[in-house]
Amino acid sequence: KAGVTQTPRYLIKTRGQQVTLSCSPISGHRSVSWYQQTPGQGLQFLFEYFSETQRNKGNFPGRFSGRQFSNSRSEMNVSTLELGDSALYLCASSPSGGPDTDTQYFGPGTRLTVL
Amino acid sequence: DQQVKQNSPSLSVQEGRISILNCDYTNSMFDYFLWYKKYPAEGPTFLISISSIKDKNEDGRFTVFLNKSAKHLSLHIVPSQPGDSAVYFCAASFAGGGADGLTFGKGTHLIIQP
Repeated sequence: KAGVTQTPRYLIKTRGQQVTLSCSPISGHRSVSWYQQTPGQGLQFLFEYFSETQRNKGNFPGRFSGRQFSNSRSEMNVSTLELGDSALYLCASSPSGGPDTDTQYFGPGTRLTVL
Repeated sequence: DQQVKQNSPSLSVQEGRISILNCDYTNSMFDYFLWYKKYPAEGPTFLISISSIKDKNEDGRFTVFLNKSAKHLSLHIVPSQPGDSAVYFCAASFAGGGADGLTFGKGTHLIIQP
């Protein structure tokens, strides 16, 4: 089975712009979670989608949004980019999302740099 | 407020010896804990997990110990091998269905010396 794929792998944007990141989960997985990794804060949970619905949300401002399509692919959008949004954005998929029942499989991440 | 803490940013261990990575948490509602390993330019990969109803879980060279009263868990790798050099993240979650998201520590960079 192919793993979780994320596109693009690298992205450079300027402050004020918006960006869309894409994640394709492992075939058959219906849960997709997004995480932000920064040196200062480590890995932080953004949100989780299951069957096209946002099921859980972390403590991030409304500039961060996402969606999931019927084929379970997910996109994450960040509007009005700030310098502090520079980070590695990781996507993880699992069959149904419960961490005690399903292992989450992570993609390689998208490295976003905001100038 | 960091709910999951890995107080050692890095750890150097000689090949063949035991590596012990530590993790502390503050939220007593966490009841499921995981360890992930991350190589540069790759996403984290699941290593081992433990439910709060257990105090030990073993998988090959990897053993995770949980001390609920101390809100502390540790990952033991024995014997340590060069391929174990990576960043290790401790994560915690609320079990019982639904992904509330994993809360991660900031990671410990394990370096295995030949």
